[in-house]
Amino acid sequence: AQKVTQAQTEISVVEKEDVTLDCVYETRDTTYYLFWYKQPPSGELVFLIRRNSFDEQNEISGRYSWNFQKSTSSFNFTITASQVVDSAVYFCALSSGSARQLTFGSGTQLTVLP
Amino acid sequence: DTGVSQDPRHKITKRGQNVTFRCDPISEHNRLYWYRQTLGQGPEFLTYFQNEAQLEKSRLLSDRFSAERPKGSFSTLEIQRTEQGDSAMYLCASSRSGGAADTQYFGPGTRLTVL
Repeated sequence: AQKVTQAQTEISVVEKEDVTLDCVYETRDTTYYLFWYKQPPSGELVFLIRRNSFDEQNEISGRYSWNFQKSTSSFNFTITASQVVDSAVYFCALSSGSARQLTFGSGTQLTVLP
Repeated sequence: DTGVSQDPRHKITKRGQNVTFRCDPISEHNRLYWYRQTLGQGPEFLTYFQNEAQLEKSRLLSDRFSAERPKGSFSTLEIQRTEQGDSAMYLCASSRSGGAADTQYFGPGTRLTVL
């Protein structure tokens, strides 16, 4: 069975602060893929990143960075110098084994205050 | 590419009525997925098509739900005899097969309210 846990329900920061969103996953498969999506108030899920289980290299894309650690089954997401436009719900998701569907966490509501 | 589109964006219906939603995937995407999202939760998988074949269905997809993708392009999701518990956002996603896992791109969703 697959499971994704996002323990932080809501986070509030002031603009320009750094913020880290936590994601812990469970799967028995050795091959799996992890994703982050952003859901702004408009409601549409926007793809941010995909990582596979064989690539533990951290990734940086502009103000976004991701820390993948198999030892702790975590795939955390950091926004550096947050901006008001980053306010959204962020979802971590997992696809493993032969399953094509995504298993999502319950999301973290990020509010960036001006 | 034009993104995934869904129609209608909002639907209000009375309990017991049937409703049908449509999803148009990104062109050339051969995989299409339906998810349901309730308030405060992440999306939950309902069903998945590769071309016109429905390959997987969740146990969440009761007998009142049916999905089709007749020509491997657009898809429809029908809910018969709607119940108040069906109120949710219905999301469609598409992807292109070509690796071990595809990246799914989502549409704007159809918000269903059952009175």
